[in-house]
Amino acid sequence: GAGVSQSPSNKVTEKGKDVELRCDPISGHTALYWYRQSLGQGLEFLIYFQGNSAPDKSGLPSDRFSAERTGGSVSTLTIQRTQQEDSAVYLCASSFGGGYGYTFGSGTRLTVV
Amino acid sequence: KQEVTQIPAALSVPEGENLVLNCSFTDSAIYNLQWFRQDPGKGLTSLLLIQSSQREQTSGRLNASLDKSSGRSTLYIAASQPGDSATYLCAAPPGAEYGNKLVFGAGTILRVKS
Repeated sequence: GAGVSQSPSNKVTEKGKDVELRCDPISGHTALYWYRQSLGQGLEFLIYFQGNSAPDKSGLPSDRFSAERTGGSVSTLTIQRTQQEDSAVYLCASSFGGGYGYTFGSGTRLTVV
Repeated sequence: KQEVTQIPAALSVPEGENLVLNCSFTDSAIYNLQWFRQDPGKGLTSLLLIQSSQREQTSGRLNASLDKSSGRSTLYIAASQPGDSATYLCAAPPGAEYGNKLVFGAGTILRVKS
């Protein structure tokens, strides 16, 4: 597509429920990144996919967080047993890989009540 | 470990002023540096990408420079307008490791008053 698409744009969920956030990167981009931005905070790296290589999961805050990327395209970030501290904007970006700029999606605002 | 710092944290200027936003990074073994803009409640919009072989990039009223030796980049905004009000973020790769995730500064919140 023309840009990075994220869905849903907003999600309100009850504490303890599981949520799935979707990212559809720019066609042809081999690298895909997930970041989190809590209210008033900077961007926190979560996970990074590059082609068929094993993902860099070093930023995932707990084992409740997981992500996959199917067919080298669409990615899903799953948060299990959500907690109130998971409330944030989850941003996805894609690029052609190292040396190329990132293009971000509009984000998913997650609110855990 | 790469650390990115942005100064000032916030800036308020009257319309028409030229201004400079500063970014510093601790690991100069970077292959590029990227500046973004974020409007309230929105995602990030890429403004300028400077490759390590370049010293500056220009887009309209924006000019970004890169000095790897000193670990600094600046974003220059000419003739500022109220529509420039946003948070400006600087991001650099984590060092010599190629193809890895960007490290972001905390941003500079810019307000341009009409």
